[in-house]
Amino acid sequence: GAGVSQSPRYKVTKRGQDVTLRCDPISSHATLYWYQQALGQGPEFLTYFNYEAQPDKSGLPSDRFSAERPEGSISTLTIQRTEQRDSAMYRCASSSGLAGETQYFGPGTRLLVL
Amino acid sequence: ELKVEQNPLFLSMQEGKNYTIYCNYSTTSDRLYWYRQDPGKSLESLFVLLSNGAVKQEGRLMASLDTKARLSTLHITAAVHDLSATYFCAVDRPGGGADGLTFGKGTHLIIQP
Repeated sequence: GAGVSQSPRYKVTKRGQDVTLRCDPISSHATLYWYQQALGQGPEFLTYFNYEAQPDKSGLPSDRFSAERPEGSISTLTIQRTEQRDSAMYRCASSSGLAGETQYFGPGTRLLVL
Repeated sequence: ELKVEQNPLFLSMQEGKNYTIYCNYSTTSDRLYWYRQDPGKSLESLFVLLSNGAVKQEGRLMASLDTKARLSTLHITAAVHDLSATYFCAVDRPGGGADGLTFGKGTHLIIQP
């Protein structure tokens, strides 16, 4: 596609529910990243994929967080048993995967856990 | 642990003035990235600096990188209101490849008429 898209743009859920966020990267991009951005802060790395491989998930805050990219294109980020502290903007970015190439960010999903 | 520090975090300035935003980072890196974020919007890439001494300019913004000092600067010349935004610098996470970025907290810039 022309840019990175994410859905839903907003998600309100109750504590304890599971949520799944979706990212559709730029079609030619091999590498996809997930970040969490708290209000007034910079994005914080969660995990990334090279095609369908997930080399690093060290930034995921807990085992309640998981991500997939089964066919090397669209990715999902799932948060199980959501907690209020999970409320944040979740941003996806994609790049060609070459070192030094810029990452293109999507519009984000604003998650609010009540 | 890799740390990226920006200063100042908040800046209010008048149109027509010049100012510099500083970005320090704690590990060796030959690459540094600058992004702009408007309120309620996503991050937009401004510059990618790929080597020591790199300088890039776009309009009233100029970015430079000193890898020995682990310092990048974003200089604003004759500021205009449209440049009001939050500016983030970022460096590659340890690993050497395209493994994701570590961002600073951002500099919230307000340019007043």
